[in-house]
Amino acid sequence: NAGVTQTPKFRILKIGQSMTLQCAQDMNHNYMYWYRQDPGMGLKLIYYSVGAGITDKGEVPNGYNVSRSTTEDFPLRLELAAPSQTSVYFCASIGAGTPESVGYTFGSGTRLTVV
Amino acid sequence: DQQVKQNSPSLSVQEGRISILNCDYTNSMFDYFLWYKKYPAEGPTFLISISSIKDKNEDGRFTVFLNKSAKHLSLHIVPSQPGDSAVYFCAASYGGSQGNLIFGKGTKLSVKP
Repeated sequence: NAGVTQTPKFRILKIGQSMTLQCAQDMNHNYMYWYRQDPGMGLKLIYYSVGAGITDKGEVPNGYNVSRSTTEDFPLRLELAAPSQTSVYFCASIGAGTPESVGYTFGSGTRLTVV
Repeated sequence: DQQVKQNSPSLSVQEGRISILNCDYTNSMFDYFLWYKKYPAEGPTFLISISSIKDKNEDGRFTVFLNKSAKHLSLHIVPSQPGDSAVYFCAASYGGSQGNLIFGKGTKLSVKP
């Protein structure tokens, strides 16, 4: 099915461990985003990319890194996991020239708990 | 400092009646506004949008109204159905549809049969 695929769906990490959250889209979208959602809060932008090889920080980038070596993939790396990174992570994408009647396409999320 | 505010955490309405969800924003540079709907354990799904050059956009049972002078937008759902029960997020950007979105905290809508 076309769309945004996130893996894993759930993960428990110990403090200080590292992991990579995977995000892939098969719609040939230029723009990709990583958001986190804490309980009772809206989504906050971590990093975004406007195309392969180009990434930039969002509102809450500390503790994370990203890369965009292909149009399809936009992995999010957590180094030295901390309890403050317990959250639900959403990846999203949109294509250049997308009509305004169509918004971002979101993945189903990765629920991460750091203990 | 929240740029997009949804001041009602929850709203309960009867099936068949109108649901009105509200959103306020502070940044006058925003040029594009959206509503997303989210069910538990799923990602947000796009519902409806409006650009700052318009004051109303309609799509079936969903209508979004934009009042730029008041920096306020609202989503009307008529008639409300039990399947509309979800969390609704208001979002805004100043880069059109590809701009980075800034989200409100969401309003949980419950539509009772």
